[in-house]
Amino acid sequence: TQLLEQSPQFLSIQEGENLTVYCNSSSVFSSLQWYRQEPGEGPVLLVTVVTGGEVKKLKRLTFQFGDARKDSSLHITAAQPGDTGLYLCASFINSGYALNFGKGTSLLVTP
Amino acid sequence: EAGVAQSPRYKIIEKRQSVAFWCNPISGHATLYWYQQILGQGPKLLIQFQNNGVVDDSQLPKDRFSAERLKGVDSTLKIQPAKLEDSAVYLCASSTTGKNSPLHFGNGTRLTVT
Repeated sequence: TQLLEQSPQFLSIQEGENLTVYCNSSSVFSSLQWYRQEPGEGPVLLVTVVTGGEVKKLKRLTFQFGDARKDSSLHITAAQPGDTGLYLCASFINSGYALNFGKGTSLLVTP
Repeated sequence: EAGVAQSPRYKIIEKRQSVAFWCNPISGHATLYWYQQILGQGPKLLIQFQNNGVVDDSQLPKDRFSAERLKGVDSTLKIQPAKLEDSAVYLCASSTTGKNSPLHFGNGTRLTVT
């Protein structure tokens, strides 16, 4: 199973700050998904990246897939308290549909 | 569309007792998954069903965990006997069978084993 390393593990910032979280692997991703999980809820899909070098934007969130497809980053501009949650990256297990998750980055945005 | 439904939301049991969790996936989703999420970690796949057949149960501790998906819809996950290290959130998810299809998760069952 592909090992996904996420950093940082924890991040506490104030509203309005920018931040970047990372997801890395020693092997190539066929594709990568980012999920956000709020306390007491299940993870919710934010984006799927497939092509090396791909950049996708979702309002204040920018997702980048590395050229070699071994890493990905999530950048949040002007963070808001509603961005608080656990950010998880995930890759597909073998060629099936199940996902292998990293340990996540726990983000806290305070007013 | 209605989301993935799970019950109960919380369960507290003593070690060596048994417990069962129930999941109703999104209508029409052929694939169903059970994940275990220990505090501070990402979800770990326990078992994957395609309709009512098992696709992957390689990480399911089969000496104490069992799961079934009768008629290819609802699913139950059982633990017998429970151990302290089974304390976790058990998440059910479902998806369609297309490539890169997103997983839709329920809100999970938080299990505490004392």
